[in-house]
Amino acid sequence: ETGVTQTPRHLVMGMTNKKSLKCEQHLGHNAMYWYKQSAKKPLELMFVYSLEERVENNSVPSRFSPECPNSSHLFLHLHTLQPEDSALYLCASSQDRGAYNEQFFGPGTRLTVL
Amino acid sequence: GNSVTQMEGPVTLSEEAFLTINCTYTATGYPSLFWYVQYPGEGLQLLLKATKADDKGSNKGFEATYRKETTSFHLEKGSVQVSDSAVYFCAFSYSGAGSYQLTFGKGTKLSVIP
Repeated sequence: ETGVTQTPRHLVMGMTNKKSLKCEQHLGHNAMYWYKQSAKKPLELMFVYSLEERVENNSVPSRFSPECPNSSHLFLHLHTLQPEDSALYLCASSQDRGAYNEQFFGPGTRLTVL
Repeated sequence: GNSVTQMEGPVTLSEEAFLTINCTYTATGYPSLFWYVQYPGEGLQLLLKATKADDKGSNKGFEATYRKETTSFHLEKGSVQVSDSAVYFCAFSYSGAGSYQLTFGKGTKLSVIP
């Protein structure tokens, strides 16, 4: 595997389910990110991890819970979601958090909440 | 607040036509500017970037020049191909106090027809 991978690619869940999204980067990067991509809206940064420490949390509801067990893996745990949470969830990584660092994106998980 | 404004899509062009996608930004300090591209079913990938005023980023025939006086970073290509059909995102980040976030525009969908 190369680059940034995400699983599953598609997920359908009910509002009472608990599920997790997984992201893995094979680039030796130190920073990882979760974004939410909704139709006709700019990408929304949700969480930033640097060296496995959460450094940004952009007012995301507590029904989204991130976990970064090591610098290569990032999870997004989901519980009691709402239909408006349906979106494409993108994971990204960069060498470091600096402003000049290119972010490399995974293909995303298409989430549908019924 | 900080924001990116890019032209509304969708944009439909014939093959070999000239492409311009306008992008302006509102930010404090001296941001780095980026264009990302998202092909169908994939995550975002960096197309080009510029880190200081008057820099020109270029890649795959696309170009954009960092214009600080007009706070713009318009994307251009002289002759588009069907394979350029994708969604294009303008973004910036800066090393101002406290934030290394990428701020994205809403995206412009480009369709190139043979």
